[in-house]
Amino acid sequence: EAQVTQNPRYLITVTGKKLTVTCSQNMNHEYMSWYRQDPGLGLRQIYYSMNVEVTDKGDVPEGYKVSRKEKRNFPLILESPSPNQTSLYFCASTGLLAGELFFGEGSRLTVL
Amino acid sequence: AQKITQTQPGMFVQEKEAVTLDCTYDTSDQSYGLFWYKQPSSGEMIFLIYQGSYDEQNATEGRYSLNFQKARKSANLVISASQLGDSAMYFCAMRGFSGGYNKLIFGAGTRLAVHP
Repeated sequence: EAQVTQNPRYLITVTGKKLTVTCSQNMNHEYMSWYRQDPGLGLRQIYYSMNVEVTDKGDVPEGYKVSRKEKRNFPLILESPSPNQTSLYFCASTGLLAGELFFGEGSRLTVL
Repeated sequence: AQKITQTQPGMFVQEKEAVTLDCTYDTSDQSYGLFWYKQPSSGEMIFLIYQGSYDEQNATEGRYSLNFQKARKSANLVISASQLGDSAMYFCAMRGFSGGYNKLIFGAGTRLAVHP
């Protein structure tokens, strides 16, 4: 089954404690991206990657890091989480010239 | 800069009636794609419909159709015969391809409530 899998789905953490949200896709997609969703703001892109070792900033990259060492994986790293990073996070993937973006189920992160 | 605008924060419709959700976009790209996604209260993002900028026909998928007016830069979603299960958040999105840049941006969303 074609899917994008992200973990954890829910996480409560404290300010400053490093965390990683994993994302994996099984569709051999070149393009992967991270979004955060906040009420009234829709989905805003954090980082995206157009292929292995190729990453670039989206609209809201501050406080986040990513890496793309393998085509299927695109982890999101919060080195020192802060309360303003409390949000719903989505990972997504697609082919470079394709249409639909396939989304993971979302990861709800709370930073206390 | 690319931008998606959804001017209706919330809409309601009676069951079995049609409803139009508005979306306007701004881009300097010649080639782009427009999408609509549905997000029910459970949180997942469900793809509904896609329209390419060079497609001459409006896209349709079952009860969903996309009213694409390129000159006006609008891509409204029309849901015919609304059902209670259509109550959800709806997002319009655009993907541009200028200069190898490959970004998909979203509007703020419209919350649709279908009343019996």
